[in-house]
Amino acid sequence: KAGVTQTPRYLIKTRGQQVTLSCSPISGHRSVSWYQQTPGQGLQFLFEYFSETQRNKGNFPGRFSGRQFSNSRSEMNVSTLELGDSALYLCASSLDGTSSYEQYFGPGTRLTVT
Amino acid sequence: AQSVTQLDSHVSVSEGTPVLLRCNYSSSYSPSLFWYVQHPNKGLQLLLKYTSAATLVKGINGFEAEFKKSETSFHLTKPSAHMSDAAEYFCVVYAGNNRKLIWGLGTSLAVNP
Repeated sequence: KAGVTQTPRYLIKTRGQQVTLSCSPISGHRSVSWYQQTPGQGLQFLFEYFSETQRNKGNFPGRFSGRQFSNSRSEMNVSTLELGDSALYLCASSLDGTSSYEQYFGPGTRLTVT
Repeated sequence: AQSVTQLDSHVSVSEGTPVLLRCNYSSSYSPSLFWYVQHPNKGLQLLLKYTSAATLVKGINGFEAEFKKSETSFHLTKPSAHMSDAAEYFCVVYAGNNRKLIWGLGTSLAVNP
């Protein structure tokens, strides 16, 4: 089975711009979670989607949003980028709601905001 | 509320010596606990998990962890370190009431030849 894929792998944006990141989960997995990883804060949970519905949300501002499509692929969007948004964004998929704690991670998208 | 504390931000060992990465947790519920590993420029990988079965859990690559409820700990160990074990390790608690994973800040393991 193919693993979780994320595109693009690297991205450089300017303050004020917006960005869209994509995640394709493992085939058959219906839950997709997004995390922001920074050296000082560790992994911070952004949100989780399950069957096209946002089921869980972390403590991030409304500039961070996401969605999930019928094929379970997910996108996250960050609008009005700030320097502090520079981070590694990780996507994780899991089989279903009851085992959502056992997650499989993609390699991440490294976002740099200048 | 659930929380997890990794007691060492950085651990350095010599190849062939034991590894101990410490993790304490706090949970109002019976927790599920995990260790993940992140090698440089690679994604996170599940090392092992505790989900209320045996308290001594064996994982991949010779790692194991013991759940100690009385000490609220879930330390990760390996009898003999290998150079390939150099990575970042994360202890995670699953907050079952709101289906969130709570992550520790990580422990960077260096293995010296």
